[in-house]
Formats: sequence, structure tokens, C-alpha cells
Amino acid sequence: QVQLQESGPGLVKPSQTLSLICSVSGGSISSGGYYWAWIRQFPGKGLEWIAYIDYSGSTYYNPSLKSRVTISVDTSKNFFSLNLRSVTAADTAVYYCARDLAGAFNIWGQGTMVTVSS
Amino acid sequence: DIQMTQSPSSLSASVGDRVTITCRASQNIDSYLNWYQQKSGKAPKVLIYAASRLQSGVPSRFSGSGSGTDFTLTISSLQPEDFATYYCQQSHSNPRTFGPGTKVDVK
Repeated sequence: QVQLQESGPGLVKPSQTLSLICSVSGGSISSGGYYWAWIRQFPGKGLEWIAYIDYSGSTYYNPSLKSRVTISVDTSKNFFSLNLRSVTAADTAVYYCARDLAGAFNIWGQGTMVTVSS
Repeated sequence: DIQMTQSPSSLSASVGDRVTITCRASQNIDSYLNWYQQKSGKAPKVLIYAASRLQSGVPSRFSGSGSGTDFTLTISSLQPEDFATYYCQQSHSNPRTFGPGTKVDVK
């Protein structure tokens, strides 16, 4: 079955760029009908959808983050990635990647904690 | 953005209890509503999609209802493994948005 796994640094300095990768196994990211999403969960437990991309590279960003976020996909290596620029302490969260099927996130990675601190 | 609210924010219940959680959208979302369960330290898991459709593998004691702006998640007989936090999420419009969660703990 399809599994997702996030990877990236757990600590990022303020004003720098947070970069994460989501590796997809057990299935091809090029399979049609899905979006591949990034979602974060703040320490207070609120969930925020960040962006999604499909296999062709079509994207949609949360307007609240659009100016700082880039999502991309590499179908040859079966992963997608997130770059969040100019981070502050408010970006400290657990970052999840997930598969979006018709609007429901039906497969999630285990999540990776990212702390923004000097 | 569509704002999602949930009530209550927390509840205490016993094994065997019937539990009902409510989710409200700030505008009409038809049936584009999903429910998730999250246990401590784990990723959320989808229980119900499209307001009332049970995700494969999810026990039948979970059910969802509603359309438009008002939705309900019901657990017909609470089991020990059901103590968790539950979130609703709308998929009617981008950006996708989540409710703040309802924590179900032991009475």
C-alpha cells in the first residue's frame, strides 16, 4: 500500500528556508486522480493546509502562505517537496505530507517536527 | 476562507456511551465534509468522507451526517481505542480548512 515519509531538518534558523521532502513508496506519484499535499499542525494542535500539487505540476497554495511557499514534484524519483521561505517562530509545527483524494486526506506521513529557533 | 467550528471542544465519556460531535461551516459546503481521528503523537486518520461515507476499514460504530453548514459525527458505542481528538475538514473550496478539534477523554 502507498506510504508517505517526510524528511528534512528539525531545526531551522529564523529568516531561513525550511525545506522538506515527502517520499512516496508503494505506488507511483504519477497515478492520476490525486493531489499531494503539505499540512502542518501547530503546538496548540490546530491544523493548517499549506499547498498541494498533482503529478503534472499543477499547484494550489494557501493564500495565507502563498508568498513564501513553493511546492514541487519529481515524478522520476517519486517524491514531492516543500520550501517555506523567511521562517519565523510562528512556523514551528509538525509538518505532514498527505495524499488528497477528492478533498479527503486519506494517507498521511508520520509527520516531522520543525522548530524555528536561533 | 471557509471557517469551521466544532462543539464541544472537549467531552468526557465512558466506554459504551453514544458520543456526538458537531461541526459547522461558515457557508454552505454541500456534503464536502470529512472527519478525522488523531491519537497522541500520530497523524490524523480519515474516518468519514463526503459527510457520511465510511472510510474502508473504519468500524461501523462511526457515522456521519449532515449537509450544507451543519454536520455530526456519531460514535454509537464508545470503545477504549476511540479516546482521541476528532477534527472536521471542508473540501468544498480552497484553501482546505479544518475545525479546531474535539477531544474525547475518559470520564
